Amino acid sequence: SAVISQKPSRDICQRGTSLTIQCQVDSQVTMMFWYRQQPGQSLTLIATANQGSEATYESGFVIDKFPISRPNLTFSTLTVSNMSPEDSSIYLCSVGAGSGNTIYFGEGSWLTVV
Amino acid sequence: QKEVEQDPGPLSVPEGAIVSLNCTYSNSAFQYFMWYRQYSRKGPELLMYTYSSGNKEDGRFTAQVDKSSKYISLFIRDSQPSDSATYLCAMSGQAGTALIFGKGTTLSVSS
Repeated sequence: SAVISQKPSRDICQRGTSLTIQCQVDSQVTMMFWYRQQPGQSLTLIATANQGSEATYESGFVIDKFPISRPNLTFSTLTVSNMSPEDSSIYLCSVGAGSGNTIYFGEGSWLTVV
Repeated sequence: QKEVEQDPGPLSVPEGAIVSLNCTYSNSAFQYFMWYRQYSRKGPELLMYTYSSGNKEDGRFTAQVDKSSKYISLFIRDSQPSDSATYLCAMSGQAGTALIFGKGTTLSVSS
């Protein structure tokens, strides 16, 4: 398995500001994923982040709004830029690890934009 | 048609009941199937992981995959109040790649 730590765990942000979420894994992993979970909804993939290459974004998500860094095999950041109330969500970091490359999740970062 | 369909519930059962949770999917390329449990204000926790068709049992939990029908199930035996959570099915075509999730089913087990 993998232990995934996310910071911050929760925050209240002002409209128009940006916030960077950090994801730290206790082992080296090739692929890291960022998901969004809006209130009462399921998980939607934002992007896949591989070390040493540009993140790959899903339809509806753009780099200007959600820039991602992946400086090494244990760490990644997701920035939510120019936030609006519609960005109020849980943002989840996940990785593939262990036998079968099982997907594990962090506890999430709960953002409320006011 | 969404790639993964899951009845969101809510589903309410008494303690000790057998619970059946289900998902259907449309993409025949899916080979890896997972069930996650998510408590309120927590991240998803992996419960069961199955490759291709068949059954897998772990304690009170049994996962079934029927690829011919594109249908997966999670059974919970002797349900407990601590099982009250949202259950998410998820799947992918390759190991370690991004998952496609169902909407999640909210389960409430009353004592």
